[in-house]
Amino acid sequence: QSALTQPPSVSGAPGQRVTISCTGSSSNIGAGYDVHWYQHLPGTAPKLLIYGNNNRPSGVPDRFSASKSGTSASLAITELQAEDEADYYCQSYDNRVGPYVFGTGTKVTVL
Amino acid sequence: EVQLVESGGGLVKPGGSLRLSCAASGFAFSTYTMNWVRQAPGKGLEWVSFVRANTDSIYYADSVKGRFTVSRDNAKNSLYLQMNSLRAEDTAVYYCAREGGVCDGTNCYTGYFDSWGQGTLVTVSS
Repeated sequence: QSALTQPPSVSGAPGQRVTISCTGSSSNIGAGYDVHWYQHLPGTAPKLLIYGNNNRPSGVPDRFSASKSGTSASLAITELQAEDEADYYCQSYDNRVGPYVFGTGTKVTVL
Repeated sequence: EVQLVESGGGLVKPGGSLRLSCAASGFAFSTYTMNWVRQAPGKGLEWVSFVRANTDSIYYADSVKGRFTVSRDNAKNSLYLQMNSLRAEDTAVYYCAREGGVCDGTNCYTGYFDSWGQGTLVTVSS
């Protein structure tokens, strides 16, 4: 069982906004550790989307944003596009089961 | 351009061994912490191991501790994962990943994976 829990799936129509939650505990997000987010298309290398809670690497569209509060974090995708259909993972440091832990993953489907 | 290329995957019987390699190019390999991350079929990403740039710090996930050994050769820009006593549940695509780190003047961020290889498949089956 992962230390970070995400919904198995979310969906939205093109142009809509979707959000993905990442629920942790006092040993990871709640302890103040940073949260990072990745996009993963099957058969390809995972891609860093967000680092340090809300920072986008160069080249990542500003349609992707993230936030952190308490023991949870969330990723938002606005203006949803067909190319956004992928699996998304949060990741953080955990001082009990870590060092590093990934979320359970969320499949985003564009309707 | 940063490139990470894994190799060494394949089919191995339970209890067997395999050594994975990751060839790095396009960056100063000797200055970065490197990680192994895996994804079992139909499952999510699982962090496996990391080794600091000068190998003074090495960690493993509990699921592989005592069976897997990570190492690196900075002169060859290469990362390795020696996997022994393999089990069916070790079947996965194994990725090597570079650990990023950046400071923006007020905050420093690390512990994230900014570059990944394409992965190599390890299948443990009789």
